[in-house]
Amino acid sequence: NAGVTQTPKFQVLKTGQSMTLQCAQDMNHEYMSWYRQDPGMGLRLIHYSVGAGITDQGEVPNGYNVSRSTTEDFPLRLLSAAPSQTSVYFCASSYSKRRDTDTQYFGPGTRLTVL
Amino acid sequence: GNSVTQMEGPVTLSEEAFLTINCTYTATGYPSLFWYVQYPGEGLQLLLKATKADDKGSNKGFEATYRKETTSFHLEKGSVQVSDSAVYFCALRGSAGGTSYGKLTFGQGTILTVHP
Repeated sequence: NAGVTQTPKFQVLKTGQSMTLQCAQDMNHEYMSWYRQDPGMGLRLIHYSVGAGITDQGEVPNGYNVSRSTTEDFPLRLLSAAPSQTSVYFCASSYSKRRDTDTQYFGPGTRLTVL
Repeated sequence: GNSVTQMEGPVTLSEEAFLTINCTYTATGYPSLFWYVQYPGEGLQLLLKATKADDKGSNKGFEATYRKETTSFHLEKGSVQVSDSAVYFCALRGSAGGTSYGKLTFGQGTILTVHP
């Protein structure tokens, strides 16, 4: 298993540009989520999905869109990038929301800089 | 809502020193508690977890006990190594019946540096 994969690893954008951060998992996990990591603030939940076709907002959803057309993929879209979106983005997945199988597996991250 | 507070860092220790990183939480119900570790340039890895009160999670010499009475989940290791240098995150996952069910809430992270 490749686990959770993310592309690209690094990205530089100009203000107003759009892009999609890719996330895929090959573990047949129901639950997938996106976090951003900023210095001194830990990880904050952007959006999450409990299965194909179902998504919901997390703590900091503004400026980001998601969709989940398949179990494997969960892309994160920035429609009009802003400098405040400069961050490291992590995708994570887990089998389900049940407590006994609730370990989340994280991808390696995408470091995004918006100029 | 749920929240996690970690001790302020960074923490710098000599090899073989004793490590404690404090973590306290605020949550309704009975959340699951986690410690994740992030090595330089990598994503987060689960270090240990505890899913009910008085449970002790342990892995790689690290331990943490779920203390509901003090709402704490402090991370400890008796003798740290240079290879333990990383960022450590305390996190909780909301319990059933609440609006935060299934979502992970993280502390701000503690940078640990171990010198030879």
